Amino acid sequence: NAGVTQTPKFQVLKTGQSMTLQCAQDMNHNSMYWYRQDPGMGLRLIYYSASEGTTDKGEVPNGYNVSRLNKREFSLRLESAAPSQTSVYFCASTRDRASQPQHFGDGTRLSIL
Amino acid sequence: KQEVTQIPAALSVPEGENLVLNCSFTDSAIYNLQWFRQDPGKGLTSLLLIQSSQREQTSGRLNASLDKSSGRSTLYIAASQPGDSATYLCAVCPMDSSYKLIFGSGTRLLVRP
Repeated sequence: NAGVTQTPKFQVLKTGQSMTLQCAQDMNHNSMYWYRQDPGMGLRLIYYSASEGTTDKGEVPNGYNVSRLNKREFSLRLESAAPSQTSVYFCASTRDRASQPQHFGDGTRLSIL
Repeated sequence: KQEVTQIPAALSVPEGENLVLNCSFTDSAIYNLQWFRQDPGKGLTSLLLIQSSQREQTSGRLNASLDKSSGRSTLYIAASQPGDSATYLCAVCPMDSSYKLIFGSGTRLLVRP
């Protein structure tokens, strides 16, 4: 019972480098989400995908791009990493809307020097 | 703009004590309110989801209440145990976007043996 799987778990980048965070869910959920969690600020929504083939901006989308590769996979890309993007990134999924219980991955801890 | 606040930010109690965690939100137009648990280095686990039409939900030693008109929710933990030590977050799903959750910054709970 894997649920939501995120890779990598840890990553250190230099300013200006690019990378893609991967997320996959095995629950046949339609909707997937990317959040970032910073100390003292709770979780903030970066992008979401209501269903396969659709993506929409959340609260803090600047500096990020996403791809809903198929129903299972939703990736987050940093094209040119900045120190302000140092954070813990969480992927989540729901059967349909966010009004349903969300299932979270264990996160990717990203540091940008 | 919907804002979610959790007070206190941290709480330390002796084992066996009953305790209450608080969550407040500024806009009563919500689909539901959800309580999550987060263990260090892990993702969030959904504990309880209260629909806007409901007053409370119970799961084991946990009871969550919702007073939508006053913009408040409480999570009651009975007979606390050291294993309850974690960060507890609440989140609301706003009526104007059922694909978004707005999170509070959490209450870090320590239950001392």
